Amino acid sequence: DAKTTQPPSMDCAEGRAANLPCNHSTISGNEYVYWYRQIHSQGPQYIIHGLKNNETNEMASLIITEDRKSSTLILPHATLRDTAVYYCIVRVPKQYGNKLVFGAGTILRVKS
Amino acid sequence: NAGVTQTPKFQVLKTGQSMTLQCAQDMNHNSMYWYRQDPGMGLRLIYYSASEGTTDKGEVPNGYNVSRLNKREFSLRLESAAPSQTSVYFCASSESHYNLGGRNEQYFGPGTRLTVT
Repeated sequence: DAKTTQPPSMDCAEGRAANLPCNHSTISGNEYVYWYRQIHSQGPQYIIHGLKNNETNEMASLIITEDRKSSTLILPHATLRDTAVYYCIVRVPKQYGNKLVFGAGTILRVKS
Repeated sequence: NAGVTQTPKFQVLKTGQSMTLQCAQDMNHNSMYWYRQDPGMGLRLIYYSASEGTTDKGEVPNGYNVSRLNKREFSLRLESAAPSQTSVYFCASSESHYNLGGRNEQYFGPGTRLTVT
């Protein structure tokens, strides 16, 4: 699986958009980008995933650059409950199955 | 619909003792996973079961055994606990281990906090 690089921590004001970057410069053409988050002491929670196109769901938006070497997770209106560790994961489902490889992630602190 | 449940929530063991962590899911998922998370680190895969009747090693399998008891239940056993196995253990499940890019997210349980002294 391609390695990912994320900033160790970020702060965001409540009500503002939180933009979490992820670099995956060695990503190959059939690798998907997944985002999970882990709120303190809980199990991780799926947020969103994508391959080439930008994606949006009820939780967030995922912007993937045209060369696919980086992506950004956007929480449009961050709340205090969005304070968590956010993990960017890339994988090839057909080749490696559904095994997730977690890095250290980004600690997002939403402040009032 | 409870999702993924794990028992116990907390456990303290002495070095050399054995125990089994239990995991069950009620979503009729085919695949189940065991991860461990050490302080300040991401999760690491210990073992997984792609389907009932199969199990495979993950990234850190040494010192652990697993049993896929049926489609719902997947247990993790520590035969002789060591202080290095002090960690938080998470169980997860997903609809399928292999897909062609569908959502196929993993659903995680609340974790078991294990301390080995």
